[in-house]
Amino acid sequence: GENVEQHPSTLSVQEGDSAVIKCTYSDSASNYFPWYKQELGKRPQLIIDIRSNVGEKKDQRIAVTLNKTAKHFSLHITETQPEDSAVYFCAASVDSGYALNFGKGTSLLVTP
Amino acid sequence: GAVVSQHPSWVICKSGTSVKIECRSLDFQATTMFWYRQFPKQSLMLMATSNEGSKATYEQGVEKDKFLINHASLTLSTLTVTSAHPEDSSFYICSALTSGSYSGEQFFGPGTRLTVL
Repeated sequence: GENVEQHPSTLSVQEGDSAVIKCTYSDSASNYFPWYKQELGKRPQLIIDIRSNVGEKKDQRIAVTLNKTAKHFSLHITETQPEDSAVYFCAASVDSGYALNFGKGTSLLVTP
Repeated sequence: GAVVSQHPSWVICKSGTSVKIECRSLDFQATTMFWYRQFPKQSLMLMATSNEGSKATYEQGVEKDKFLINHASLTLSTLTVTSAHPEDSSFYICSALTSGSYSGEQFFGPGTRLTVL
């Protein structure tokens, strides 16, 4: 089955700096890669996603890049703010409508 | 956006009792719902895939006789933890796919915190 590795497990940055979280996946059939933000005790919220036919996608301060050959994808957050502090999960699935395989999560702390 | 609710939001029960958790899609029909379990400071682990009108598909290592899943309608799936034990204490989250959706986005419920004493 699919195995999603996520690094780092914790990340601390100063407000205004950039944060990068990286994930690798094992199943070459995976073609949908969403990123979720989860605050303590709350539901995961989709912040951005990318499909295998696209190499990069950007939404304001958030961007995701995908390298299908190397089977890795990354989340980039620029101009970080304290409210970006949360746990971020990457995930992969073989197609829309299939269950998600999650990475172990990255706890991001943005200090003022 | 699509809204998914869960009930209850938290529950405390005695060891050996059964607990039912409901997952509802409030403003859309969900042919497929997923059940995840999340232990403290850990990731979401898929437990089972629930399709309306058919038996759930369980992930390896998840006991289907212990975690009973019923998806009787396009807006409701239930997870019953039977004979709960302290090790079943966890955060249970459901997600739902809209029928005919090609976006791949899953809409998550707010989760249910289960504590077994």
